[in-house]
Amino acid sequence: QSVLTQPPSVSGAPGQRVTLSCTGSSSNIGAGYDVHWYQQLPGTAPKLLIYGNSIRPSGVPDRFSGSKSGTSASLAITGLQAEDEADYYCQSYDSGLSVNWVFGGGTKLTVL
Amino acid sequence: QVQLQQWGAGLLKPSETLSLTCAVYGGSFSDYYWNWIRQPPGKGLEWIGETSHIGNTNYNPSLKSRVTISVDTSKDLFSLKLSSVTAADTAVYYCARGGERASDPFDPWGQGILVTVSS
Repeated sequence: QSVLTQPPSVSGAPGQRVTLSCTGSSSNIGAGYDVHWYQQLPGTAPKLLIYGNSIRPSGVPDRFSGSKSGTSASLAITGLQAEDEADYYCQSYDSGLSVNWVFGGGTKLTVL
Repeated sequence: QVQLQQWGAGLLKPSETLSLTCAVYGGSFSDYYWNWIRQPPGKGLEWIGETSHIGNTNYNPSLKSRVTISVDTSKDLFSLKLSSVTAADTAVYYCARGGERASDPFDPWGQGILVTVSS
């Protein structure tokens, strides 16, 4: 059971917009800690996609955007492309646990 | 551009000690924290622990009794040892750069090493 909750799967057709959610609590996202998102393509290491809730690292297309509100965060992908098919993980800091850095269980994005 | 390259044994027997090393190329070693994260097959990510360049460490309590993370600043590398492994420790192990602040993300990551524990 992950500290941050993500839906196991999401799907969308090419060109569509999808939103991936990440739900936490008052000791992590709700406490004001930043949320980061990682994209993991099949057979590869996770890659930082969004940091500080909504900041894209250099090289990440602006089709990817992040937001945070209350105890939840979201990753939106517009203009869905086949190459976006991957696992997506959210991550934050938790002040209520001894395990400081926590991840969501991941969402598998399928491009139909 | 910072790159992390990791190596170590990929097949262990139960009760043996897992040993992995991660080298940091192309960036400052002293300004960051250096982390180990693992991913069991088909599952999510689990933070194992971290070290600073001067050896300040923090560990996941669920693994703390078996984990040691050490650092070699002369070679810009850090290492993970996990003792008394079982099949439950089978996972891809990643090294990753983190920061001192709670708000710092993990970036970049090493390529990952699959460690299989089997008799």
